[in-house]
Amino acid sequence: NAGVTQTPKFRILKIGQSMTLQCTQDMNHNYMYWYRQDPGMGLKLIYYSVGAGITDKGEVPNGYNVSRSTTEDFPLRLELAAPSQTSVYFCASSPGGARAEAFFGQGTRLTVV
Amino acid sequence: AQKVTQAQTEISVVEKEDVTLDCVYETRDTTYYLFWYKQPPSGELVFLIRRNSFDEQNEISGRYSWNFQKSTSSFNFTITASQVVDSAVYFCALSEADQGGKLIFGQGTELSVKP
Repeated sequence: NAGVTQTPKFRILKIGQSMTLQCTQDMNHNYMYWYRQDPGMGLKLIYYSVGAGITDKGEVPNGYNVSRSTTEDFPLRLELAAPSQTSVYFCASSPGGARAEAFFGQGTRLTVV
Repeated sequence: AQKVTQAQTEISVVEKEDVTLDCVYETRDTTYYLFWYKQPPSGELVFLIRRNSFDEQNEISGRYSWNFQKSTSSFNFTITASQVVDSAVYFCALSEADQGGKLIFGQGTELSVKP
């Protein structure tokens, strides 16, 4: 049972570099989310999608972009990495709606130096 | 504005002690859902429980129990007879009815259970 798969698990970026965090789910969920987790701060929503072709900003979208061309994939793009983007990133999916349990990936630990 | 507060940043107990993790939330919606997630040292988030705003019954699952009180906007989590494997960060989260399943997380409580 793969569930939600994120790659890579760890990455070190230099300031100004770009990268894409990959996220794939095999549960045919319409809803997908990207959160970042900073120490002592809980998780904050970056972007979310309610279906292929539909994306929207969350609480902390600046410096990030997303796309959703298929139900399965929801990549997160960092265009010009900054030290403030050092964090652990979690992708999640759910069948939809406020009551639905979200399934999380293992996380990507990103360090920007 | 919606908000979730977990005032306890860290808790340390000795094995077999009971421990309660506090969660207080704010929302203007009448229909909402509350969740608890566990994040063990391996890092993934594991769903523990969901409660809707119309169901104030307490729930027990093995050593875990949850106390939902709308009057105090609280959704507390108790672990009875704690074990070392309970050591983790625990997150309380809120989802409002018209918000597409977006979760608002508390800051998390790091529980350390010592043998």
